[in-house]
Amino acid sequence: ETGVTQTPRHLVMGMTNKKSLKCEQHLGHNAMYWYKQSAKKPLELMFVYNFKEQTENNSVPSRFSPECPNSSHLFLHLHTLQPEDSALYLCASSQGGGASTDTQYFGPGTRLTVL
Amino acid sequence: AQKITQTQPGMFVQEKEAVTLDCTYDTSDPSYGLFWYKQPSSGEMIFLIYQGSYDQQNATEGRYSLNFQKARKSANLVISASQLGDSAMYFCAMRGLTTSGTYKYIFGTGTRLKVLA
Repeated sequence: ETGVTQTPRHLVMGMTNKKSLKCEQHLGHNAMYWYKQSAKKPLELMFVYNFKEQTENNSVPSRFSPECPNSSHLFLHLHTLQPEDSALYLCASSQGGGASTDTQYFGPGTRLTVL
Repeated sequence: AQKITQTQPGMFVQEKEAVTLDCTYDTSDPSYGLFWYKQPSSGEMIFLIYQGSYDQQNATEGRYSLNFQKARKSANLVISASQLGDSAMYFCAMRGLTTSGTYKYIFGTGTRLKVLA
């Protein structure tokens, strides 16, 4: 595997379900990000992790719970979601550590539908 | 506050022609980075090109070049010799800082480019 991978690619869930999105980066990076992209809305930053520590929570509802067990893996745990949470969820990674050429690379995204 | 503005919701270009996608930014940081990403209908965000705020030369990557005008705070993307596969959404982004001093990225609203045969 190379780059940034995300599983599953598509997910349909009911409002009472609990599911998790997984992101893995094979780039040796130290920073990881979750974004939400809804139709006709700008890309919304949700969470930032640097060296496994959360450094940004952009006022995300508690029904979204991130987990970063190591610098290569990032999870987004979902529970009691609402239909308006249906969106494309993108994971990204970057070098982190203050590198002046820090550049984000994205995974293919998980398209989530909440019924 | 840091902000990225893309004023062109949609653009058309004839195949093999060049096209310029506009991006302006606002930041008070002396050091920053500017990026362009391509998002095809599949959804993946593909990194295209990077320009550092202290770079003297405009960045180029194959058919992509970034027209960086620091005084005007603009970072336009130029795609030369457009191809049908260039049809996609294009996002301009800027690297900024979180409140804890680590990096975060601010994205514009995007420009949808359609290449005509």
